[in-house]
Amino acid sequence: EVQLVESGGGLVQPGRSLKLSCAASGFTFSSFAMAWVRQAPKKGLEWVATITSGGSNTYYPDSVKGRFTISRDNAKSTLYLQMDSLRSEDTATYYCAKARRGTTPFDYWGQGVMVTVSS
Amino acid sequence: DIVLTQSPATLSVTPGESVSLSCRASQGISTSIHWYQQKSNESPRLLIKYASQSISGIPSRFSGSGSGTDFTLSINRVESEDFSVYYCQQSYSLPYTFGAGTKLELK
Repeated sequence: EVQLVESGGGLVQPGRSLKLSCAASGFTFSSFAMAWVRQAPKKGLEWVATITSGGSNTYYPDSVKGRFTISRDNAKSTLYLQMDSLRSEDTATYYCAKARRGTTPFDYWGQGVMVTVSS
Repeated sequence: DIVLTQSPATLSVTPGESVSLSCRASQGISTSIHWYQQKSNESPRLLIKYASQSISGIPSRFSGSGSGTDFTLSINRVESEDFSVYYCQQSYSLPYTFGAGTKLELK
């Protein structure tokens, strides 16, 4: 059974940093691209970052480019999201998601972790 | 960026009705559209990939169609467990974008 378990969320002040983790199990982690997708309170879904299976390629929307960094440790089957220079508009539930083939669609999702950016 | 416009925003139906949810892309995207269901306080679930391809484990009452700019998610005979929010997502070009969602609610 595929499982994705996020951790590392919490309350952080604007301008500070936070690092999310996603522990994966139930599939060959190193064979699949992974992504982070977020959802602001009462809002829709927003793609945040994608990393290819080997970690050599990463992709971001302009809203987080230069501030967020996605990475992975295939030996530990763990995905990460380093978030720097956080803003209030980054407040959201962050989901870790597995790509089905290539880099999309996302066929498995974690339960999500809440990040609140506030002073 | 490709904008996906979903309509209607809310659809009120009674169980047993069949419904169609629309997703329109701001430019042609071939069949690079995927549909997700998100129940209240749950994570999204992939329903349909590449406009019309089924996903293992998803009930057969869910189907998708369309190409280019206009796409439809159809639910044949809505069941009580189907009341949730449905999102479309495009993978034609980066950045990947989602529609704002259609909420399917009980009339």
